[in-house]
Amino acid sequence: QKEVEQNSGPLSVPEGAIASLNCTYSDRGSQSFFWYRQYSGKSPELIMSIYSNGDKEDGRFTAQLNKASQYVSLLIRDSQPSDSATYLCAVKGSSASKIIFGSGTRLSIRP
Amino acid sequence: DTGVSQDPRHKITKRGQNVTFRCDPISEHNRLYWYRQTLGQGPEFLTYFQNEAQLEKSRLLSDRFSAERPKGSFSTLEIQRTEQGDSAMYLCASSLTSVNTGELFFGEGSRLTVL
Repeated sequence: QKEVEQNSGPLSVPEGAIASLNCTYSDRGSQSFFWYRQYSGKSPELIMSIYSNGDKEDGRFTAQLNKASQYVSLLIRDSQPSDSATYLCAVKGSSASKIIFGSGTRLSIRP
Repeated sequence: DTGVSQDPRHKITKRGQNVTFRCDPISEHNRLYWYRQTLGQGPEFLTYFQNEAQLEKSRLLSDRFSAERPKGSFSTLEIQRTEQGDSAMYLCASSLTSVNTGELFFGEGSRLTVL
């Protein structure tokens, strides 16, 4: 079992719609959860972090965390073509401070 | 504000040669991470430092890989006797120590091609 799992996609969403990205993790004691965006040929950049159960909103982005289900999601409202990228879920484990990434979900926003 | 810088940006080498990559983190960041990324995959953890101490090294990493951060500032990642499977983007990231953060700032990466 991979430590952090994501569907690789591609996920195709019409412009203006809501994009929903999901991630599961295996370490039940994980404390910190992150979503990074990576454009093709570029390095990852942090877009959201979440540490406690529930929702966290930042502009068009909402991160959701459910520790009981070991599940993290990212919602992107009013999707724009500029949101087309690979979205990486990352988890900071309990026993160490290393940060583990999933394989990423490729998102495509179609006009 | 100079972000994380990596050098060289591109390296082409022949199988069996040694290569070294350098990473200069954001100056006030005390944590430094190395990841490897291949096409279509997420960054794979290699190792990380807090100041000059190497706190963890991936069990997947062979003995051909070694990393140092001698004065707690810049870091080097050396790959000895390179193999074609080492071809990848090598990413460095830095962060500040804190209980509940893991906000990594990445450099632009060093792309390695092994012929």
